[in-house]
Amino acid sequence: EAGVTQFPSHSVIEKGQTVTLRCDPISGHDNLYWYRRVMGKEIKFLLHFVKESKQDESGMPNNRFLAERTGGTYSTLKVQPAELEDSGVYFCASRLGHYNSPLHFGNGTRLTVT
Amino acid sequence: KQEVTQIPAALSVPEGENLVLNCSFTDSAIYNLQWFRQDPGKGLTSLLLIQSSQREQTSGRLNASLDKSSGRSTLYIAASQPGDSATYLCAVSLSYNTDKLIFGTGTRLQVFP
Repeated sequence: EAGVTQFPSHSVIEKGQTVTLRCDPISGHDNLYWYRRVMGKEIKFLLHFVKESKQDESGMPNNRFLAERTGGTYSTLKVQPAELEDSGVYFCASRLGHYNSPLHFGNGTRLTVT
Repeated sequence: KQEVTQIPAALSVPEGENLVLNCSFTDSAIYNLQWFRQDPGKGLTSLLLIQSSQREQTSGRLNASLDKSSGRSTLYIAASQPGDSATYLCAVSLSYNTDKLIFGTGTRLQVFP
C-alpha cells in the first residue's frame, strides 16, 4: 500500500508570499494530522481531521494558516502570508481508526521563508 | 503543561553495544507513549506503542518500558547495528479522546562499525 505522500518535498518562498502544502493520506484513513518542526525544536501538533471535519485545531499558530480536507481525502495547508518564523518541516500523518493504532507519517515538506 | 524531555540529545556507540535511550514527561496522566524513529529527510516510523496500563513492549531487538508514576520511559536497543543510526523520538498522548501527541526533541544515535 502507498504511504502518506506529501508535496512539495521542499519549498523556498519569500516573506509575504503564499504557499500551499499538500498531503495525501493512506487510502481509507479517516484520521489526518498536521505537525511541524521549526528551528530544531520539538515536533508540534497543528491539527487533526476526521474525514473532512476539523476535530482539533488547537495547535494552529495563527490565522495565517488554513487547513482544508476536501471530501475527506487529501488535505492542504496554506500559509498566507508567510513569515520567517514559519520556516521548518511540516509533517502529515494518517491513521485508520483506534487511538492505539500507529500513526503513519509522510516524509515532510521543508519550508524555507527568506 | 506536559513537557517531554529526551536524554541524551546525541549518542555515538560502536556496533554491538546495548544501549538505553531515556524519555521523561512531567505529567503522569498520559494515555499512551510511543517511540518513533526518523531517518534523515524521512518521516517518522512508529516503533513501539505502550498503553498507559502496560509496563513494556518488545519488538525484535527493541524493548520499551514505561513507568507512568515516575514519568519515565526507556528504549533499550540490543546489539546495536549501523542501520540503527537515526533520531529516536518519544511522544505521549494525553487522553483517550485526543490525538495530540507531545514530542520530545529526540536522541540522535550513531552506531559506527
